[in-house]
Amino acid sequence: NAGVTQTPKFQVLKTGQSMTLQCAQDMNHEYMSWYRQDPGMGLRLIHYSVGAGITDQGEVPNGYNVSRSTTEDFPLRLLSAAPSQTSVYFCASSPGTGYYEQYFGPGTRLTVT
Amino acid sequence: AQSVSQHNHHVILSEAASLELGCNYSYGGTVNLFWYVQYPGQHLQLLLKYFSGDPLVKGIKGFEAEFIKSKFSFNLRKPSVQWSDTAEYFCAAYSGYALNFGKGTSLLVTP
Repeated sequence: NAGVTQTPKFQVLKTGQSMTLQCAQDMNHEYMSWYRQDPGMGLRLIHYSVGAGITDQGEVPNGYNVSRSTTEDFPLRLLSAAPSQTSVYFCASSPGTGYYEQYFGPGTRLTVT
Repeated sequence: AQSVSQHNHHVILSEAASLELGCNYSYGGTVNLFWYVQYPGQHLQLLLKYFSGDPLVKGIKGFEAEFIKSKFSFNLRKPSVQWSDTAEYFCAAYSGYALNFGKGTSLLVTP
């Protein structure tokens, strides 16, 4: 069991570039989420999904898109990167209804110049 | 949605000192609370969780937390910290389908 995996580990983008952060889990979890971590702000929810084909916005969704075509994968797309999106991004998964614990991936550190 | 606030943003302790980090949640009713730790350069690890039952919850590495309903609090404690406890600590509440996190407390333990 690999758990929750994220790629890449590090990424540098120029303003205006687009990219996709990958997240995959092999635990057959229903729920998946993306968070960003910024100094002094804790972790803030960007988007989440409660199953394949179902996604919704979290606290800070602007500038990000998600889709969930399979149970395993939940990619996060930055459409046009901005310096304000410099952050560490964590993906998490959870079994689903009645289970509250989240399992976190190792994170992606993104710098936008 | 359930939210949490952490009182201390930066804490510095000497080794063997006792630790208590404050966390308050926003409203009553069913509440599911967590403490996570992030060691330097690493990802989040679950320290302990409270869903129901015994309000004194024991976690890994000697940490414990007490759920006090009347105070809306879920404070993290450790009787004697070690240098290796230097890390950032996050309180979180389950809210809908994901977690709401506090802003974190950075703990530095000095030898």
